[in-house]
Amino acid sequence: QKEVEQNSGPLSVPEGAIASLNCTYSDRGSQSFFWYRQYSGKSPELIMFIYSNGDKEDGRFTAQLNKASQYVSLLIRDSQPSDSATYLCAVPGNQAGTALIFGKGTTLSVSS
Amino acid sequence: NAGVTQTPKFQVLKTGQSMTLQCAQDMNHNSMYWYRQDPGMGLRLIYYSASEGTTDKGEVPNGYNVSRLNKREFSLRLESAAPSQTSVYFCASSETLSKGRGDTQYFGPGTRLTVL
Repeated sequence: QKEVEQNSGPLSVPEGAIASLNCTYSDRGSQSFFWYRQYSGKSPELIMFIYSNGDKEDGRFTAQLNKASQYVSLLIRDSQPSDSATYLCAVPGNQAGTALIFGKGTTLSVSS
Repeated sequence: NAGVTQTPKFQVLKTGQSMTLQCAQDMNHNSMYWYRQDPGMGLRLIYYSASEGTTDKGEVPNGYNVSRLNKREFSLRLESAAPSQTSVYFCASSETLSKGRGDTQYFGPGTRLTVL
């Protein structure tokens, strides 16, 4: 059974700082990684997908994948109070890629 | 497009009662999923349907049944509700194009279920 581990937090950063969220995974063969954001009382929404190796940037968000160490990070630059949410990491859970296994999420709090 | 819709939004049941949670998507997606989310436990997959006519168990299927009624609709049934099934239930759908790379899942707004 694949596992995805995240520090539950809360991770507290001041407005304008860089927030760094980490996720480790158990299956060395995993190549796809998803980051979802979930505001309190709301449903998860995708903010980043990264495949294979290296970094991927999208606006203030950067996903970094380190396959040798089996972790994936999400960096949020210039953090805003509106970034305060729970961030969920996920990997495909079966060969067809049709099911995702989610970590328990890291709660981020950005103070103004 | 409404995306993924779920009904009801809130429900209170007594132990032993049954109910069906409804989910529909208008994005013509092949795959649909049911998750439950509990404090400190993250999202756990209950059942999924990779395509119309197929269903498979996820991580926590006990106490639940599902029906993929057609391509749009995927329902979750609790036959005899238990307090341990108090949770927030999310339905999701995805297009299933990636052939193993994983597909972006789009979530409904959730159903908040309390079993007394």
